[in-house]
Amino acid sequence: AQSVTQLGSHVSVSEGALVLLRCNYSSSVPPYLFWYVQYPNQGLQLLLKYTTGATLVKGINGFEAEFKKSETSFHLTKPSAHMSDAAEYFCAVSNNAGNMLTFGGGTRLMVKP
Amino acid sequence: NAGVTQTPKFQVLKTGQSMTLQCAQDMNHNSMYWYRQDPGMGLRLIYYSASEGTTDKGEVPNGYNVSRLNKREFSLRLESAAPSQTSVYFCASREPHSAANSPLHFGNGTRLTVT
Repeated sequence: AQSVTQLGSHVSVSEGALVLLRCNYSSSVPPYLFWYVQYPNQGLQLLLKYTTGATLVKGINGFEAEFKKSETSFHLTKPSAHMSDAAEYFCAVSNNAGNMLTFGGGTRLMVKP
Repeated sequence: NAGVTQTPKFQVLKTGQSMTLQCAQDMNHNSMYWYRQDPGMGLRLIYYSASEGTTDKGEVPNGYNVSRLNKREFSLRLESAAPSQTSVYFCASREPHSAANSPLHFGNGTRLTVT
């Protein structure tokens, strides 16, 4: 069975500071990994995904994530936070059959002026 | 381009009442999904439909039924609502179902409260 753990249900940063949202996964096979963002009263939107190949993945809005197999991690980063980045972020892992996407509990990012 | 459309946006039910949540997508996707979102628990899969005419249980199917009406529409029914079903419900679609690296496209959710 696969699972996803997001460390920190709430993260607060100042505008312009580094954003680091942590995600660890467990999977018995090489995983497909995703980060989604949810703005208030909206559905989830894809930020980025890792499938195969390059372990550093770039997404929309300046976010990127690095797949580290040895650490079973897929942390999300952004060098400089903007007020518009305030949202909830979800890490997810897909099984090989593709019929089950397992989500972490989510991390709410707050950006202080 | 509407994407995935869910109705209603909000609903309040009394315990024991029934209702159907509607979902439609205009992206010609074969696979559709229903998730519920609860604080601190992320999204959990209730049911999915890999293609028109098929449905399968997800992680938390108890208390729910689904109907894949046609390729565009996938509805979720609560026959006898319980307070534990208070949640935000999301419909999603993707193409193809079997591609594990294919992302989901989500609707904006239905906020359901059961009193």
